[in-house]
Amino acid sequence: NAGVMQNPRHLVRRRGQEARLRCSPMKGHSHVYWYRQLPEEGLKFMVYLQKENIIDESGMPKERFSAEFPKEGPSILRIQQVVRGDSAAYFCASSPPRDTGELFFGEGSRLTVL
Amino acid sequence: GQQLNQSPQSMFIQEGEDVSMNCTSSSIFNTWLWYKQDPGEGPVLLIALYKAGELTSNGRLTAQFGITRKDSFLNISASIPSDVGIYFCAGRQPSGANSKLTFGKGITLSVRP
Repeated sequence: NAGVMQNPRHLVRRRGQEARLRCSPMKGHSHVYWYRQLPEEGLKFMVYLQKENIIDESGMPKERFSAEFPKEGPSILRIQQVVRGDSAAYFCASSPPRDTGELFFGEGSRLTVL
Repeated sequence: GQQLNQSPQSMFIQEGEDVSMNCTSSSIFNTWLWYKQDPGEGPVLLIALYKAGELTSNGRLTAQFGITRKDSFLNISASIPSDVGIYFCAGRQPSGANSKLTFGKGITLSVRP
């Protein structure tokens, strides 16, 4: 029973490049959340998606960041024209259709911007 | 946005000791959860609480949902070296199904053998 799968685990980009982070939710889960974690900080909510819908993007920066969860395939968090301040661990979590309040996290994708 | 407060930032205990961690908020939450994160890994759910006053155990872990719905605590009994890690509290406000979780900044626990 596979958990939440994220890839890549580590990504290095130069300033100005694009970063794409992928997340496949747990089997049977239809809700995906993206969080960002800076060193020695908690997890900051970015966006909540269901299939083909963005439900809550109140934590997403207004520029350069976008997210999608298409009908087929993984959820994608895309960061355009990366800057050094984008360096962080990005975690994806999923939850089942039945509302339990519980989120199950992946191992994270660690982005380093040079 | 809403904040969950966890302090101190770090705790140091001796193996075998019990430890208790608090999480407080100025707002009401209708779900409280506790997660543990090991270095380089994602957070793992330890305990979920759904009702004010609820007391739930998971092995050596016990957590309670405060009666005011503005706090929760986690207790670890008879600590062992593998309890080392960062413990996060998280809460969900009564603002709709499947809505986001808000996280505290975490407490880093060190256990001396």
